[in-house]
Amino acid sequence: GESVGLHLPTLSVQEGDNSIINCAYSNSASDYFIWYKQESGKGPQFIIDIRSNMDKRQGQRVTVLLNKTVKHLSLQIAATQPGDSAVYFCAENTPGGYNKLIFGAGTRLAVHP
Amino acid sequence: EAGVTQFPSHSVIEKGQTVTLRCDPISGHDNLYWYRRVMGKEIKFLLHFVKESKQDESGMPNNRFLAERTGGTYSTLKVQPAELEDSGVYFCASSFRNRAILDGYTFGSGTRLTVV
Repeated sequence: GESVGLHLPTLSVQEGDNSIINCAYSNSASDYFIWYKQESGKGPQFIIDIRSNMDKRQGQRVTVLLNKTVKHLSLQIAATQPGDSAVYFCAENTPGGYNKLIFGAGTRLAVHP
Repeated sequence: EAGVTQFPSHSVIEKGQTVTLRCDPISGHDNLYWYRRVMGKEIKFLLHFVKESKQDESGMPNNRFLAERTGGTYSTLKVQPAELEDSGVYFCASSFRNRAILDGYTFGSGTRLTVV
């Protein structure tokens, strides 16, 4: 599988704890944001999205928070499980950028039993 | 429903050689995208097709990269001649035309290219 990189920031958590992964996005004009999960050897998998007219959105065990003032996104995972171990990317889309996504650098989440 | 399929899953070539990557999008998806992730860095956009037309190729790094989507179905990405810095994972994604970004993309598993 793909090496996910020695230079990625890593978040280590205990199974059952809550995880918070942060992302700074680049363009203040971006109005749509997505969190992706990438496991080794697989492509990015959609987790949750949020539009810029919202500041919070909840899914199953996941919550995304958007702070447009400081161009910050966070992904909260409740009751983290070993299967959540992966690299997490935020991505943004800008009006006029067609469907191009700009990805953040990624954070590796390591869940320990 | 079959997902986005990419061939090959891995490729190791020597510097100066040519490699062609293939992507088969989900049937009926007009939008097809290529991205790549160089080791340890972020995933970067390369280009976007709508059917057979290039909508946006602003991310193509240089003229050694050629993408095609003849007939608006599968796409190929050719690197000729390959350089060491081309190593990375190349992802393809597809989406419906009129609900593209809000539906999110479906990504393939990627082609891991190693240039030695």
